[in-house]
Parts: sequence; structure tokens; C-alpha cells
Amino acid sequence: QSALTQPASVSGSPGQSITISCTGTSSDVGSYNLVSWYQQHPGKAPKLMIYEVSKRPSGVSNRFSGSKSGNTASLTISGLQAEDEAHYYCSSYTSSSTLVFGGGTKLTAL
Amino acid sequence: EVQLLESGGGLVQPGGSLRLSCAASGFTFSTYGMSWVRQAPGKGLEWVSCISGSGGSTYHADSVKGRFTISRDNSRNMLYLQMNSLRAEDTAVYYCAKDRSVLSSFDIWGQGTMVTVSS
Repeated sequence: QSALTQPASVSGSPGQSITISCTGTSSDVGSYNLVSWYQQHPGKAPKLMIYEVSKRPSGVSNRFSGSKSGNTASLTISGLQAEDEAHYYCSSYTSSSTLVFGGGTKLTAL
Repeated sequence: EVQLLESGGGLVQPGGSLRLSCAASGFTFSTYGMSWVRQAPGKGLEWVSCISGSGGSTYHADSVKGRFTISRDNSRNMLYLQMNSLRAEDTAVYYCAKDRSVLSSFDIWGQGTMVTVSS
């Protein structure tokens, strides 16, 4: 199972909106609404930000939103803040009854 | 407080074995699937293994199939990962994670335990 494809890095200025894409195939992202997004700060464990494509866990800011079109899922962060600077990973359930992560995207707040 | 605490990491030679443990607290352990996720130094996340709440179903990534075994003891709220025939490429921080279902999304993570495979 190949990793989902994410851009290596994205950047934005405080207050701006940014979008991170996550491209899979019809065997994972395209067939299941089981896409999740995680935020990871250096030296810390990942934190769930979005599950089931667009749902936010309790306590996660509504500046974070998720969507999906075809084989590509997206994470949008609006009103970018300095503390949003981190690595972001997407994941998806697959038709092989496994789970696959994306390669990760480093978000820089300029 | 919902908490996961891993233990058992360390230095092991190639071909050796190691058993990781994860102690869960603050939630009804037997209700939820659990997974192990690893992260090699400076690299991204890689899902390793998952087990259903009852323990009756297990799933493994191709990279560890036949070498790693996931198990759980619901009477003790414990999750385990038995790792055999270890390779240098298994070197990573290993996280245990609580699944919202099975192979869906991980809403609680432990702090991780480091496994180093080297001679």
C-alpha cells in the first residue's frame, strides 16, 4: 500500500487561509469517508484534528475544516495562527483492511 | 483522564525480539479498537497494527506481517506488540493509539516509546 500524496511544505501569513491536499486512489480516499487529519508539533505525539473527512473532535478550533472530492481530500486552516505551525498528516482506510498515512506536510507560518 | 502509556522500548540487535506494552486508563478499554503507529527518526507516520475491541480481529501492515503480533488483555486494560525478527528499518518511536472504531481515526495517543535496532 503506497502512502497518500501530500505536498512536502506549505506556508502562509498570519490571518490567511491555507489548504493541504491529500491524494490517494479509488482503493482508499476515493471509496471511503474515513479520512483523518493529524497535527504534530516537534517532539510531540500527533493530535487528531479532523475525522471522517470533515468532522471535528471536541476542542478542535472551527478554523480547521476538511473536505473530499474524488480521490483527493483537503484540510483547510483559516485565520492562520503562529501555533498552527506544525506537521500535518492525512490518513485513510483502505480496501485491503489497512490504514495508510500521507507523507506529511510541514506548515510554516510566515 | 484518558491516558495511554507505552513501555518496553530499547536497543535490540538485528534479528532480535522485543515486546511493547501500552497501559490504558480513563475509558472503557474493551469497547475500542487499538493500534500501533510508528515514526522513524525524521520521517512520517506509519500505521503498524490494529486490534478490535474484543481482540477477535487483528490487522497488520505488509511491512510487519509475519514478524509482529498485536494482542490485548481487556481484564488488565493492556495492549501489546510482540516484535520478532527485528530489522534496522524497524527503528522508530512506537505510539499506541485509541481508535474511534477499527482502522478509522485515532483520538488518543500515548507519548511513544523508542525502539532502536542496531548491532
